[in-house]
Parts: sequence; C-alpha cells; structure tokens
Amino acid sequence: DAGITQSPRHKVTETGTPVTLRCHQTENHRYMYWYRQDPGHGLRLIHYSYGVKDTDKGEVSDGYSVSRSKTEDFLLTLESATSSQTSVYFCAITGTRQDTQYFGPGTRLTVL
Amino acid sequence: QQPVQSPQAVILREGEDAVINCSSSKALYSVHWYRQKHGEAPVFLMILLKGGEQKGHDKISASFNEKKQQSSLYLTASQLSYSGTYFCGTESFNDYKLSFGAGTTVTVRA
Repeated sequence: DAGITQSPRHKVTETGTPVTLRCHQTENHRYMYWYRQDPGHGLRLIHYSYGVKDTDKGEVSDGYSVSRSKTEDFLLTLESATSSQTSVYFCAITGTRQDTQYFGPGTRLTVL
Repeated sequence: QQPVQSPQAVILREGEDAVINCSSSKALYSVHWYRQKHGEAPVFLMILLKGGEQKGHDKISASFNEKKQQSSLYLTASQLSYSGTYFCGTESFNDYKLSFGAGTTVTVRA
C-alpha cells in the first residue's frame, strides 16, 4: 500500500459550517490531488498540487480551497459547507505524470 | 471535459469476455485504467502512453488508439474477482491531471 491516509474517514456536519479534510503521505511524492466521487459522475478533480505552496484548480473547485505547506500534507477546506458537497472525497498522490496515481481510503462527508 | 465510457454496465458469467471503451475529444498523452470495488478506493490497473502500446495485467489488457483518442479495456475469461467499477482516466498534453470517465460497472456471476 502506498503511504497515504485521510482524516477524518467519516464526518457529518451542518450546512454553513467550515470543514477541513486532511490528506497525509509518507512517499514524498510531488503531486497530490483531491477528487470527489458522486454516483453517475465518476471521479471529479477539485484541486491539485504540484509542490509545496503550488496549487491549481480542477473542474469542480467552486466552494473549495486547498493548502499545502508541507510536502506530506494537502488540506481541503469547505469554507461554508452546503448539502451539494455531500460526497465521498478521495486524495491521490503520484511521483511523476507517468506514474500510477495512488488513492487514499476516502472520506465520506455528509452535510445536513 | 470528462472522457466518455461505454457501456455503463455489463453483466458476465465466469469465463466470458468483455470490452470497455473510453473516448476523449482531446489529444491524449496517456490513458490510465482503474478498478474500484464497492466501498473501497480505486486501484490502478495499467497506464498506456501515446504510441498504441498494448498493456496487460493478468487476463486484463488494454489498447490505446491515439489517432482516435480512444482506449479499450479487455476482460478475458472473466473471474468473479473482476467485478467492480472500471474507470478510465485521460491526460492531455501540457497537463498534469487526469479526467475520469463516469465508470463502467462490471458484474461477474458464477
């Protein structure tokens, strides 16, 4: 298993509250990604990072922000959670563009 | 823009074959294939780079037609363990991120 963990694994929160999800890797990989997975949509990229403090938006970035202050940690923040952000969130890492993307175990987020 | 996968779902009996297709409107640098079991994270199967090279993983193989921007995944002599949802991820040139298809759910029955 690639050394990638996500926390929390499950979270229930209320609309309007801030939420932060953490992705932690021990592989020293350069690239890190946040995806959300919803039925019928597959995996959709939210944000990604190509180095410390280097991040960029994916296709569904509205309502989300990210930070990467250390190689090993990539944080995803929902500033004010909405019910449409109820989803399963996966973090992924890769060393180079030609490499496998290894996925974390996922975080199931429910926004009531 | 997400690649288009077909079919959406397929049901097989053990030993049967199936083909899953993935097509993109963009010029592709690579195609990745993943399988996901229910409640688990996607697991990498193989990557195909431009050049039409065919890859294999056990009795699962894939091809990449860069002229048509299409890739196909071949499940040969399917086993119960092949059940799951298969996703293709496509990467365009000058890009460092994958766009995933909506997935193809494969059910293999005894």
